[in-house]
This record gives sequence, structure tokens and C-alpha cells, in this order.
Amino acid sequence: QVQLVQSGGGVVQPGGSLRLSCVASGFTLSKYGMDWVRQAPGKGLEWVAFLRYDGTTKYYAASVQGRVTISRDNVNNTLFLQMSSLRPEDTATYFCAKRKGNTPMVAYFDSWGQGTLVSVSS
Amino acid sequence: DIQMTQSPSTLSASVGDRVTITCRASQSISGWLAWYQQKPGKAPTLLISTASSLESGVPSRFSGSGSGTEFTLTISSLQPDDCATYYCQQHRDSPWTFGQGTKVDMK
Repeated sequence: QVQLVQSGGGVVQPGGSLRLSCVASGFTLSKYGMDWVRQAPGKGLEWVAFLRYDGTTKYYAASVQGRVTISRDNVNNTLFLQMSSLRPEDTATYFCAKRKGNTPMVAYFDSWGQGTLVSVSS
Repeated sequence: DIQMTQSPSTLSASVGDRVTITCRASQSISGWLAWYQQKPGKAPTLLISTASSLESGVPSRFSGSGSGTEFTLTISSLQPDDCATYYCQQHRDSPWTFGQGTKVDMK
């Protein structure tokens, strides 16, 4: 059974850093594309970052480009999102999400983590 | 970037009603569209991919149609458990973008 368990959220001051984790079970991270999607309080979904199944390609939303890095640990089957230079507008619940396959057009998400809240405030 | 626009933003209907949500793309995405359901405090769940492919385990009262720039999600007979917010998402091209959501509640 596929499961994604997240950790690492919290309150951080503007300009600060945070690392989010997403432990995967029931499947191997290196066989599927993985993404981070966020949702500001009371707002809609915004795609943030993508890591190709083989680790060769990463894409980022323009709103976070240069401030976040997506990565993974194959040994521990864990996905990460390293966030720095955080701004109040980064306040959101962040979800890790598994793609259903590893071909380019299968860019939709069949399993999601439970979400972790990041609050950027002084 | 491909912009996704949903209508209506909110929708109130009665049990058993047929409900239709529309999603429009700012340019053609062929059939590369997914639909999700999200309940308060929960992660989204995938309902439909490639415009009309129903995910395993999703009730058959949900269906999707469309191609190009206009798509619809239909609930053939609304049930109380269907009260949620629904999002479309284009999966044609990066950046992958979502509609702003349609909240469905019971009249």
C-alpha cells in the first residue's frame, strides 16, 4: 500500500530556511516522478517542484525558483524540499505527491502526503 | 504558462441532482487534464486523468469529458459524501497548473 508521510513544517522568520521530508513506503521513489504542491490558507493548489524518476531533471515554479531545491535519498526512500530565503507569501500547507507513472505526460498525482504547514512570520 | 479557469466557483445542489463543473484552458491541452476532489483538512484525491479516465475505486457517478480547451466534470447523482472542493489540473506541460477550485455543497 502506497503511503507518503511528511514532516518538517513549522514557523520560521522571513529569510529563514526549512527542510521538508516525505517518507515513501509501498513503492520505490526512484521509479516514479515526485512533486511538491502547496496550498496557501483558504486558497487553491499551486505546483512547486518536480523531480524526474531517474533524478536527472528538476523543475521549479517561477515563484520559488532559486530558493528551493527538491532532492531525494534513495536508501531511505525519502523526498526532500529544502527551502531558503522564505517569504510570508510562502506560508502554505505543502504536500508531496507521487506521479502515477514515469512518462512525461503522466504528470498527475495518484498519491499525496498528509501535508505539512509552513508558516513564515516574524 | 497555461492558465486554468473553473466555473462556477461555488455550487449548491440537492441530493440526486446532476452537477457539472467546467474547466477551461488558456490554450489547447489536448486531453491532458486531471480532476481532483479535496475535503477540508485533507489532501486531494485523484478522480480522473486524461480528461475521461476514471481512477480505480472512484464511484461511477463521476465522469469527465472534453478536449482542447474545454472540459467538464459531471456528478450524475450528487451524494452527501461528494461535498468537497474540486480542482482541474493540466498535465500537458510544465508548469503544471490547477484551476482555482469549485466548492460543491448541499442545498
